[in-house]
Amino acid sequence: GAVVSQHPSRVICKSGTSVKIECRSLDFQATTMFWYRQFPKQSLMLMATSNEGSKATYEQGVEKDKFLINHASLTLSTLTVTSAHPEDSSFYICSAEDRVDRIYEQYFGPGTRLTVT
Amino acid sequence: TQLLEQSPQFLSIQEGENLTVYCNSSSVFSSLQWYRQEPGEGPVLLVTVVTGGEVKKLKRLTFQFGDARKDSSLHITAAQPGDTGLYLCAGFFQGAQKLVFGQGTRLTINP
Repeated sequence: GAVVSQHPSRVICKSGTSVKIECRSLDFQATTMFWYRQFPKQSLMLMATSNEGSKATYEQGVEKDKFLINHASLTLSTLTVTSAHPEDSSFYICSAEDRVDRIYEQYFGPGTRLTVT
Repeated sequence: TQLLEQSPQFLSIQEGENLTVYCNSSSVFSSLQWYRQEPGEGPVLLVTVVTGGEVKKLKRLTFQFGDARKDSSLHITAAQPGDTGLYLCAGFFQGAQKLVFGQGTRLTINP
């Protein structure tokens, strides 16, 4: 299957600072990537859809000025958590969409554990 | 709102037993995917089903897609401790571009 990487895997930052998370599709080009957040023992919650060369589409309740998304190339999307607060601590996962024979599939990165102190 | 109900949410069984996880909706899926996620990692795609009535097998895992494409099941035969993890079903509803996830099934196989 397709491979998606995420960096960093873990990050600890102080309250008020910003953190950037990178998501890369390693062996395919992804016009569309997605950013999810996962709370302990829960399913994935979609935050935003990242489209190459255009603005991201945010889900209801997700602050676009706090979670900045940039999809500058067909293999890279970044999520920047600005002015981080302890409540932003979570597991962030990206996925990249691949289309084969008109079937869309999403391949997920390994996730980034963010801890804000 | 298009919802995807997954059941059971928790399942703990002994090694060697069989189990089935269900994924249901009142709306039609254009495709449905099953993922397995281990703690601290991202979900790994197991299978994609597209055609109503479709059955796919992956070793001891059997995936079925309902005839009406509104439901799916995952059956594991002779479960092993290595099958422990969070199983997620996720589907694209017809006309939608976002993947909708079920609540997940946290499976524990006891040796």
